[in-house]
Amino acid sequence: DTAVSQTPKYLVTQMGNDKSIKCEQNLGHDTMYWYKQDSKKFLKIMFSYNNKELIINETVPNRFSPKSPDKAHLNLHINSLELGDSAVYFCASSTDRVGNTIYFGEGSWLTVV
Amino acid sequence: AQSVTQLDSHVSVSEGTPVLLRCNYSSSYSPSLFWYVQHPNKGLQLLLKYTSAATLVKGINGFEAEFKKSETSFHLTKPSAHMSDAAEYFCVVISRGGGFKTIFGAGTRLFVKA
Repeated sequence: DTAVSQTPKYLVTQMGNDKSIKCEQNLGHDTMYWYKQDSKKFLKIMFSYNNKELIINETVPNRFSPKSPDKAHLNLHINSLELGDSAVYFCASSTDRVGNTIYFGEGSWLTVV
Repeated sequence: AQSVTQLDSHVSVSEGTPVLLRCNYSSSYSPSLFWYVQHPNKGLQLLLKYTSAATLVKGINGFEAEFKKSETSFHLTKPSAHMSDAAEYFCVVISRGGGFKTIFGAGTRLFVKA
């Protein structure tokens, strides 16, 4: 059974488009995250939600908007895509808001052309 | 400020030889420390964690790490490398200043030669 699942796994799109990445976790965790991993493997947190409430919002362009309809889902919507948005986006969840033991999804490879 | 430094961007070992991946941290408080592994085209998976119990922590796949407060280190070791260990490894610290924040190291790529 997949614990943290995200779709799509691969996404190629043109500059200026709007796209969404969906994420669901079946672990019963209260906290979910979005991370961005660049081409050098550097991993940076973007957002964190605890029970549908935004608790971490790092310096991310306003074009990125997370939405959590319930605590098992955290979707990421990106407006007006730019070349620099090309990266791997990881959804994750943890049992607590501290981040003790984070469970990651398999990633969504976004390529903006 | 809290930080984590992985001292090697890549490490290459031969199959069957020991693995050492180095990590130093900076924290004003007692830290929680983790190692995660990322295989190609996969998400990250927890290898082991230290949360102020025993200083020698055993993880999955034969890996272990020792918390050394005097050296502010949390190096990851394995006695004998296997081809399947080839991956990216991330040292992670949870800082507690100004709220909890998870800080990832830059990663160390482990190559295993046959």
